[in-house]
Amino acid sequence: DTAVSQTPKYLVTQMGNDKSIKCEQNLGHDTMYWYKQDSKKFLKIMFSYNNKELIINETVPNRFSPKSPDKAHLNLHINSLELGDSAVYFCASSQDQLQGSSKGYTFGSGTRLTVV
Amino acid sequence: GESVGLHLPTLSVQEGDNSIINCAYSNSASDYFIWYKQESGKGPQFIIDIRSNMDKRQGQRVTVLLNKTVKHLSLQIAATQPGDSAVYFCAGLAGGGADGLTFGKGTHLIIQP
Repeated sequence: DTAVSQTPKYLVTQMGNDKSIKCEQNLGHDTMYWYKQDSKKFLKIMFSYNNKELIINETVPNRFSPKSPDKAHLNLHINSLELGDSAVYFCASSQDQLQGSSKGYTFGSGTRLTVV
Repeated sequence: GESVGLHLPTLSVQEGDNSIINCAYSNSASDYFIWYKQESGKGPQFIIDIRSNMDKRQGQRVTVLLNKTVKHLSLQIAATQPGDSAVYFCAGLAGGGADGLTFGKGTHLIIQP
């Protein structure tokens, strides 16, 4: 069983569209995250969500919004997509927000978003 | 906040040799560090971690060294194999972890046959 799964794996869409990326974890972890990886492989945190508390990286545009229907899911909604949003987006989870558990964060396999 | 960086973007080593990947961090309050491996088309995978009360930790063929004095950590991979080819990231937690893991820029390790 995949621990952290994301769908879709690839997403190609036009500028201005609204899209969502889904994430589910079956590890029973308390905290989930979204990371953005740019073309230079740099990974930057966008959000963390724990027990209904959302922590947002202040550099993330408000066009991005996480939605958590339950503890096992954290979906990423993006409105009015722009060319610069093209990147690989990774979902992750951890048992303990403060220390990241003894195995750190568990990452999904990523969603490659291409905005044309 | 935490800033984590790597010295070399690309490292090429012969199969069977040992490799060392270095990483520097800026926040002396960081108390937890992790090395991740990312293969092409996949998400980062946990390799090994170390807490700030330790200066060395060993796993299977990997060793992480932490030097808090100069805020530096390294990942040593022994007897490299073709499957070790990947991008390696160091990541750190600071400020109680509320800001999440902060990643360095990554080093691309290439194993030459």
